[in-house]
Amino acid sequence: LAKTTQPISMDSYEGQEVNITCSHNNIATNDYITWYQQFPSQGPRFIIQGYKTKVTNEVASLFIPADRKSSTLSLPRVSLSDTAVYYCLVVMTGFQKLVFGTGTRLLVSP
Amino acid sequence: EAGVVQSPRYKIIEKKQPVAFWCNPISGHNTLYWYLQNLGQGPELLIRYENEEAVDDSQLPKDRFSAERLKGVDSTLKIQPAELGDSAVYLCASSLGSGEYNEQFFGPGTRLTVL
Repeated sequence: LAKTTQPISMDSYEGQEVNITCSHNNIATNDYITWYQQFPSQGPRFIIQGYKTKVTNEVASLFIPADRKSSTLSLPRVSLSDTAVYYCLVVMTGFQKLVFGTGTRLLVSP
Repeated sequence: EAGVVQSPRYKIIEKKQPVAFWCNPISGHNTLYWYLQNLGQGPELLIRYENEEAVDDSQLPKDRFSAERLKGVDSTLKIQPAELGDSAVYLCASSLGSGEYNEQFFGPGTRLTVL
C-alpha cells in the first residue's frame, strides 16, 4: 500500500482558497487518490476521488500531476464550517482497504 | 435516506467487562466495515464484510474481538474482555459495492471508554 504524507495542520481565513498537498511517492499504476473529511464526533465523509489530471465536484477540486507522486486538494473560498481533518488516501484497484494516515487539521478563522 | 446507524454513541465500562457495538448500514449496501479510531489518528480497518462473509479480518484481534453479520444486513462488534487500551471510537461504514470506486459512508461511531 502506498504511504501518504500530508501536513499535520493548516490555518486559513474565511473566503480564502485552501490547497492541501499530499505526497504518495510509491503510488502504483492503478491506484486511485481519494480524500475524506472528518468533523469532530463524526465519521469521515468522502470528498473527492481521482486518478490523473484534474477532478472537480461541487465542493472541491483535485489536482494530480502527470507523475502522480503527489496530489492537491483545493477548497475554494473556505468557510468556518470547513474546519475539519482532511485525509488523503491511496486506494488500490480491486482492493477496498482504506489506509488513513493522521490527516491534516484545517482551522478556518473569521 | 437514512445514513449508517450506530449504537450506542457512548459506552463506559470497567476493564475485563464485555461490550458490544451495533451497526445498521445504509439499505442496499452489501459491504460493511468496522474501523477503530484512536485520538488524533486516522481510522484503522478491523474487519470487512461482503454480505454475511468476513472477507478481510486480518487486523481484528481475534483473542478478544469478534464480529458477526448473520443476515448480511446489520452487524455487531464485540470485545470480551475489554482492556484499557481498547478505549477509542469504533466506526462502522458501508458501501454499495466492493470496488475501489465505491465511496464509503461512515456512521457517527461509538466512543468507548474503558476504566
